Amino acid sequence: DVKVTQSSRYLVKRTGEKVFLECVQDMDHENMFWYRQDPGLGLRLIYFSYDVKMKEKGDIPEGYSVSREKKERFSLILESASTNQTSMYLCASSPRRVGGEQYFGPGTRLTVT
Amino acid sequence: AQSVTQPDIHITVSEGASLELRCNYSYGATPYLFWYVQSPGQGLQLLLKYFSGDTLVQGIKGFEAEFKRSQSSFNLRKPSVHWSDAAEYFCAVGAGTGFQKLVFGTGTRLLVSP
Repeated sequence: DVKVTQSSRYLVKRTGEKVFLECVQDMDHENMFWYRQDPGLGLRLIYFSYDVKMKEKGDIPEGYSVSREKKERFSLILESASTNQTSMYLCASSPRRVGGEQYFGPGTRLTVT
Repeated sequence: AQSVTQPDIHITVSEGASLELRCNYSYGATPYLFWYVQSPGQGLQLLLKYFSGDTLVQGIKGFEAEFKRSQSSFNLRKPSVHWSDAAEYFCAVGAGTGFQKLVFGTGTRLLVSP
């Protein structure tokens, strides 16, 4: 079974802090994704990586950056956390093939105070 | 650009009754379509997917979905709902190069009454 793990289930940070969210997958998938989930808005793509050191902006990249130094690991970085970044963050991975299904981690609920 | 509409925010169904969750997509050609389920406090789990071929797709946990090109719909169904089916359900369409990104609907929360 594909396993996608996220470093924390719950995280509380202060405004202005630098925040790192880590995601690791064990299925040698080329693609990895970071989503933000908010009530009534569904999942919105923040960033997408299709290979090591490669990234592509999603629909809402402002205030976020990403890092992918190894194939299995994809990090989301909040350079200076703000209260409007309080949300559920979901990581996913998929193989590089047309219409490849995505496998999701359990999510990190981030609260910025 | 692809988009997905799930018109029902909440649905309440009695245990044992049938279920249909609606999903409409916007895309000119044959889409790649997915249904995911999210139990409380969990990540998303794939229920089923449609790429081509038979328009009635079987998934896990007794779910099925029917692709109707004429209606741009991909509705999810289950003949008899169990209390454990209470969750949030998301419809998604493949997007971008090779349809490797997903565009999600806003979700439908299913409540199951005794």
